[in-house]
Parts: sequence; C-alpha cells; structure tokens
Amino acid sequence: GAVVSQHPSWVICKSGTSVKIECRSLDFQATTMFWYRQFPKQSLMLMATSNEGSKATYEQGVEKDKFLINHASLTLSTLTVTSAHPEDSSFYICSAIRSAGIVKRGANVLTFGAGSRLTVL
Amino acid sequence: QKEVEQNSGPLSVPEGAIASLNCTYSDRGSQSFFWYRQYSGKSPELIMFIYSNGDKEDGRFTAQLNKASQYVSLLIRDSQPSDSATYLCAVNMAGTYKYIFGTGTRLKVLA
Repeated sequence: GAVVSQHPSWVICKSGTSVKIECRSLDFQATTMFWYRQFPKQSLMLMATSNEGSKATYEQGVEKDKFLINHASLTLSTLTVTSAHPEDSSFYICSAIRSAGIVKRGANVLTFGAGSRLTVL
Repeated sequence: QKEVEQNSGPLSVPEGAIASLNCTYSDRGSQSFFWYRQYSGKSPELIMFIYSNGDKEDGRFTAQLNKASQYVSLLIRDSQPSDSATYLCAVNMAGTYKYIFGTGTRLKVLA
C-alpha cells in the first residue's frame, strides 16, 4: 500500500528560527501533495497544495512567504516555517495521492504522513 | 465556502453496540467521500471511502451515501474500546484533488 514518510515527527525551536519538514512518498510517485495544519481539538485545515515542478497553491489566509513549500521531485515535498513564532505551534501533516491515471479520479485516496508536532518557544 | 459538517460529540456507546456517525456536506458536485479515524496525537488513517449512492460494507464498518440529501454516514458494528477515536469525514471537491475535512466526531466506546 501507499506509504508516506514525514520527518521530523516533532521539533522544538526558538522563536524567530526556521524549521523544515519533509514529506516523502516511499512506494509511489506523488505529483500532488497536501500540507495540513491541525490545532488541538480542531480539524485538519488545508494550508497548501504542493505540485511537483511548479509553485504551490496556498489556501486563503495562509502566508506563502512564511510557509515555503518546495516539491522538487515526484517523491519529496518540503514545508519550511520561516521565522517561526509561538502561534505557529501546531501539528503539521502532509498527505499525498497517487499520480493521476493510476487511480480512478474521484476515488483517489489521501495517504497521510505521521505528522510533525512543532513547538515554538 | 465549501463545508463539511459533523457533530463534535463525544458520542458514547457501550461495547458491542452500533455507533452511528453522520456527516453533511454543502458542495453538490462532490464526488468522493472518505472516513478517517484519528487517535489522539496521531495522523488520520483511512477507514473507507464511498462514491456511489447506497451502502458499502467493509468488515464491521458500513458507509452510507445519499447524494440527494448530501449526507454520508459511518456505522460501526460491535463497537470495541479500541474504536474510541475521532472520526473525520472528508469530501473530495468535484473537479479537483482537493479534500475538505469536517471537524470530526469523538467516539467513546465504553467497556
């Protein structure tokens, strides 16, 4: 089955520093990956759609200069939280779907990474 | 604003009972519907998906879809304490690979 690896699983950093989170599809090619953020007791909020070889598409209200997304290959997307602040502390989860044409459109299944818990002091 | 609505719960059921989880969505063009289970501190894991009207069964789980009413549900038969988790309903927006999640329903199965 589809496996998505996310690293690191947790990170603590000082305010003002930058943190990079990696998301890898291990056994399939993912032209599209998604980055979600989840605050305690809330649902997943889509931050951006990461497209291999092109710019990410950000959701309304998400600062693209603060949350840098790079999808340089078919198996790797990275999210960099720049100049992190305590309010950025959250659970960040990536997900991926298989390349179009392999799975019937309309029934593509999101596979999630294990998530990265970020704490900014 | 495309929305997916779920009752936040908690929904408490005794062990062995049937748990019924409900979800409504606003985008009539939605194509696929997913149920994910999320344990505290973990990422969501897929239980099942459905994209045709009617019922779809997988072991103790049954998903039900009614597109006319814009309603999807998940039934868990013979509920076990290990089923205690938050259940997220997700909807695939028509014509996109974008998925919108509900806020989740917290299920407690009492031993």
